[in-house]
Amino acid sequence: DTEVTQTPKHLVMGMTNKKSLKCEQHMGHRAMYWYKQKAKKPPELMFVYSYEKLSINESVPSRFSPECPNSSLLNLHLHALQPEDSALYLCASSHEKLAGVDNEQFFGPGTRLTVL
Amino acid sequence: AQTVTQSQPEMSVQEAETVTLSCTYDTSESNYYLFWYKQPPSRQMILVIRQEAYKQQNATENRFSVNFQKAAKSFSLKISDSQLGDTAMYFCVILNQGGKLIFGQGTELSVKP
Repeated sequence: DTEVTQTPKHLVMGMTNKKSLKCEQHMGHRAMYWYKQKAKKPPELMFVYSYEKLSINESVPSRFSPECPNSSLLNLHLHALQPEDSALYLCASSHEKLAGVDNEQFFGPGTRLTVL
Repeated sequence: AQTVTQSQPEMSVQEAETVTLSCTYDTSESNYYLFWYKQPPSRQMILVIRQEAYKQQNATENRFSVNFQKAAKSFSLKISDSQLGDTAMYFCVILNQGGKLIFGQGTELSVKP
């Protein structure tokens, strides 16, 4: 299984809602990532988990709250978002966090988020 | 800081022809990894090809090959026998020692029938 899955595919939420994005992989990877991507732009790194611990937070606003319940799952909890947070949210995983010969990142299909 | 520059925001090519996408980068690390990722309109980001900086030989994957010029910090992607399914955004990416992917701005490739 070389797949990263993400749910839901699409999400529409109001600025007062609380919602969560889910990411799952069963490749035995120990590093997992959240990216935000605007249309026709490269992904921007948000968070990195390594061995279920938060390793990198790219100064992301606290209205985004990541969680790694176990080595296969990664969640992104959303609360009080702004319309400018509307984007494609991509999850990725790799064997390890640090650079290495086999440390390519496998990406999920993303969740298209719209904040009204 | 590391940077990746893709100077061609958009390109087009006729089906069955060959196209080359340009990429230059800057890094002070002695060893690093370079990738080309493809993101079709369906949005799933897929690895196309990888190159380890300490390897002189250019990587190839079927119809995809790279021209890696380490001294010039250049890493171009050649697509031979272009197919309609190659239509996508292509990102040139460097993986730094800290494990972060540094993306270029992307080249949007259209393959025309």
